[in-house]
Amino acid sequence: AQKVTQAQTEISVVEKEDVTLDCVYETRDTTYYLFWYKQPPSGELVFLIRRNSFDEQNEISGRYSWNFQKSTSSFNFTITASQVVDSAVYFCALRYNNNDMRFGAGTRLTVKP
Amino acid sequence: DTGVSQDPRHKITKRGQNVTFRCDPISEHNRLYWYRQTLGQGPEFLTYFQNEAQLEKSRLLSDRFSAERPKGSFSTLEIQRTEQGDSAMYLCASSSYGGRGETQYFGPGTRLLVL
Repeated sequence: AQKVTQAQTEISVVEKEDVTLDCVYETRDTTYYLFWYKQPPSGELVFLIRRNSFDEQNEISGRYSWNFQKSTSSFNFTITASQVVDSAVYFCALRYNNNDMRFGAGTRLTVKP
Repeated sequence: DTGVSQDPRHKITKRGQNVTFRCDPISEHNRLYWYRQTLGQGPEFLTYFQNEAQLEKSRLLSDRFSAERPKGSFSTLEIQRTEQGDSAMYLCASSSYGGRGETQYFGPGTRLLVL
């Protein structure tokens, strides 16, 4: 089965705390891509990162970092020193063929001042 | 370029009415996708076009749904005889085809409420 699980439905933190959003995926394919998107209250999904299955290097972009581990089929997302503007729903997604992208159910992050 | 746009942003209709949504992709993108998102869930794939050709339809796309992309630019999604279960956010995304690694860029969505 091709599946993405985001076990954390909601997370609430206080500004400046670090927070990690978990993503676990299932696929039979050896070639696949993983994505993270942010959906603020306005509704538009904003692309954050893409990672292919052959590249397990972790990535850092400003306060954002991603930890891809094939051994545990996980692609976790960490926000360092969270800010109120980070409040949104975050989706992890798996693309395993040319057409279909499978999204997780999302994690709603609330950052309180 | 201003990104993917969708119109209208919100639509309220009565059960049994027909509705049509429009999506304008990023201009140089040849692929266009439609997704449906219900409350508390991630987007679910409905259909996609490469240029003007509709190449795949999900089983979620019942025969009351039809999508077109007549000139390979904008696309429309029509729902006939709407039902309350059609209430959802309808998202459009576009991409420049690059295999499985292509990145889809999403529009703001059309939120449909069927009364």
